[in-house]
Parts: sequence; structure tokens; C-alpha cells
Amino acid sequence: AQSVTQPDIHITVSEGASLELRCNYSYGATPYLFWYVQSPGQGLQLLLKYFSGDTLVQGIKGFEAEFKRSQSSFNLRKPSVHWSDAAEYFCAVAAPNTGNQFYFGTGTSLTVIP
Amino acid sequence: KAGVTQTPRYLIKTRGQQVTLSCSPISGHRSVSWYQQTPGQGLQFLFEYFSETQRNKGNFPGRFSGRQFSNSRSEMNVSTLELGDSALYLCASSLGGVVTGELFFGEGSRLTVL
Repeated sequence: AQSVTQPDIHITVSEGASLELRCNYSYGATPYLFWYVQSPGQGLQLLLKYFSGDTLVQGIKGFEAEFKRSQSSFNLRKPSVHWSDAAEYFCAVAAPNTGNQFYFGTGTSLTVIP
Repeated sequence: KAGVTQTPRYLIKTRGQQVTLSCSPISGHRSVSWYQQTPGQGLQFLFEYFSETQRNKGNFPGRFSGRQFSNSRSEMNVSTLELGDSALYLCASSLGGVVTGELFFGEGSRLTVL
């Protein structure tokens, strides 16, 4: 069965500092990988996705993520955090070609301090 | 372009009652998925409908059911409500077909069971 682990429940960073959110997954092969962001009172928005190819993927809002097969990880990064990045971040996986059944991690809540 | 619309946004029920939630996907989207979001559990997949057929189903009891209409609108029903069913229920739509990662989420229906 597929599963996703986000080890950090809550992270606090200063505005302008760099950010890395961790995500590890369990799956027999390489799944499709995603990061979503949920702002307070809103639905989830796709930040970026990885299907195949270049293991470093760029997303919206200046985010990027790197797929590391050997570590079964797909960590999200941003070089310089803005106050508006404060939100809940979810990593998700899906098996290729099986429809839209996504497995989400429990999320990481990001607080940005001035 | 209108987004995913979920109704009602908030509702309160008592144990033993049943509830029906509605989701109108983005125009042209044929896949609708439902997720239950609770603190500490993240998002858990309920089921996915594509072209009026249930394509995937999560590990929820039979009290949770859904359907999709010919216009792609979807409903989910929870019968014999339990306190543990209190959650935010999110609907997500997609063009359909194979996994694209482009899930578009509604703002959710927040269910409180007393």
C-alpha cells in the first residue's frame, strides 16, 4: 500500500530565510509525486508535480522540489520565504494510470515570522 | 471560469442522522474525487467518480457512499452519522482520464456531528 510521511508537523521560519519541507513515501515503484498548499479557509492548490525525467522540478510561487529515488523522498524547497507563504503544505502520491486516487501526508504547518 | 463549488459549506448534524454533500466540478471536468480532512490525519481518500462510474474507492465503511450525475456533478452521502465523522469534506475535480495531478479543490463542507 502507498503511504506518505511528512515528519515535520509544524515549522517556523523567519521571512527571507530558506525553507525545506520533508516528504517520504512508500510505494513499490516510482509514483507520481505532488505538493499542494492549503491557505486558511481555502481549498488545496497544486504547487508542483513530478512524473518522470529531471528530478528537480519547479513550481509556482518560487517553490521547487527534488525527487530522490534512493531515499524515497520528495522534499520541497524555497530559497527565500515570504510572509504570504504561511500555510499548510501537503505532499501526495498517486499510482500511475490508476485514476485520481491520491495518498496525502498529514501536512506541515508553516509559520513565517517577520 | 468557475471553480469547484461545494454545498453546503457548514452543517451540524446529530449522531444517527444522515447527510448529503454536493459538489459541482469545473465545467468540462469529468473526474470528481472526495476526501475527508481531519486534524492529524491529513486528507484521506474516500472515492473517485469518472463518467458516472466509481473508479476508485478508499478504506471507508459502507456508510459512506457517492454518486455522479451525467453533468459530472457529484454527491456523497454519509448515513448513521458518528461523532468521528466530524471533518472537512473536500471535493476535487479533474479533467479525468489518467492522473494529471491537476486536482482542483473546492473549499469544502465542514460537518460537525453532535
